[in-house]
Amino acid sequence: GQNIDQPTEMTATEGAIVQINCTYQTSGFNGLFWYQQHAGEAPTFLSYNVLDGLEEKGRFSSFLSRSKGYSYLLLKELQMKDSASYLCAPKDSNYQLIWGAGTKLIIKP
Amino acid sequence: GAVVSQHPSWVICKSGTSVKIECRSLDFQATTMFWYRQFPKQSLMLMATSNEGSKATYEQGVEKDKFLINHASLTLSTLTVTSAHPEDSSFYICSLVTGEQGNQPQHFGDGTRLSIL
Repeated sequence: GQNIDQPTEMTATEGAIVQINCTYQTSGFNGLFWYQQHAGEAPTFLSYNVLDGLEEKGRFSSFLSRSKGYSYLLLKELQMKDSASYLCAPKDSNYQLIWGAGTKLIIKP
Repeated sequence: GAVVSQHPSWVICKSGTSVKIECRSLDFQATTMFWYRQFPKQSLMLMATSNEGSKATYEQGVEKDKFLINHASLTLSTLTVTSAHPEDSSFYICSLVTGEQGNQPQHFGDGTRLSIL
């Protein structure tokens, strides 16, 4: 079957760095997306990885290892507005996004 | 700027009412749109893939007669929840991709929160 595994909840301090890990099992693989979802709102696109390695986008970076079925999202210089759920979503062989429940990130002052 | 416009944002209505939700792509043509539902603290669940000019493809377990999808133009897809009941109360979100599906992200509308009394 297809499966996404992320921590349910994480807590970090404003100004710090946090890494949100994701392991996945899919039928085929066509890239992996990270989305941010604030409570009560729709997801917004953060990053995309299709090849192994690190993609950096400002304060956010995402890493992918296809052989390990593993990705992480790294958030630097955390701000209070970063409090949200972070969704790891790989695409399977049919280009369908597979969604997990995401990681709820709580930022404390 | 916004890629997708979804309307309405909130709906509160009585049991048995049918509710229509619109999803519009802004500034470009979308041959494919997606409809999701999300219950509190749960993951996004794909309900159906809406294809312009043809019938929608429904996911297993989603009643096509209950959730009517119409994608009559390249910029508009609608989801109608027919004879809604309290168990249909949820957050409904549409999305689309702006290019080939391979490496393009899905862009989401703002969602519609549906509450059935």
